[in-house]
Amino acid sequence: GAVVSQHPSWVICKSGTSVKIECRSLDFQATTMFWYRQFPKQSLMLMATSNEGSKATYEQGVEKDKFLINHASLTLSTLTVTSAHPEDSSFYICSAGTNDEQFFGPGTRLTVL
Amino acid sequence: QKEVEQNSGPLSVPEGAIASLNCTYSDRGSQSFFWYRQYSGKSPELIMSIYSNGDKEDGRFTAQLNKASQYVSLLIRDSQPSDSATYLCAVHLNWLTGGGNKLTFGTGTQLKVEL
Repeated sequence: GAVVSQHPSWVICKSGTSVKIECRSLDFQATTMFWYRQFPKQSLMLMATSNEGSKATYEQGVEKDKFLINHASLTLSTLTVTSAHPEDSSFYICSAGTNDEQFFGPGTRLTVL
Repeated sequence: QKEVEQNSGPLSVPEGAIASLNCTYSDRGSQSFFWYRQYSGKSPELIMSIYSNGDKEDGRFTAQLNKASQYVSLLIRDSQPSDSATYLCAVHLNWLTGGGNKLTFGTGTQLKVEL
């Protein structure tokens, strides 16, 4: 199957700092990449959809100025959590898709102190 | 009504038994259906996709789709303790109703396979 990587796998930061998470499709070109967040024992929540070279589409309730998404190429998308606060602590997962299937990265566990 | 519904479980089955996981969806025009497995603390892993009515088999897994009744199910034969995980049903909603190419997930069913 298709391989999607994420970096870093975990990060601990101080409140007020910004954190960048990278998502790469390693063996295919993804037309679309998706960013999800998952709190403990809860379901996946889609944050935004990004297409290469265009602005991301954010889901209702997700602050686009706080969660900056850049999709510079067909294999790389980045999510930057700006001015992170403890309530942003979560498991952030990207997925990369072809026209139909989506393949998930291993996720990034963010802890904001 | 939620767009994709699953029983949260936990569903407990003995080792070697058949586990049956069910999912219903609301958008009749949906075209693509997926089952993901998610172990605790890990990201989801695609295990089955199905697009046509009927059964699709892959090893111990069988996906069943009934578009008229708007349900999709996953059967796991000869269940093993390693199958214990949360199983997420995902649906591509109808493009014509604004679903785009994003997936809509159910909340997942927790499966426990007991020795």
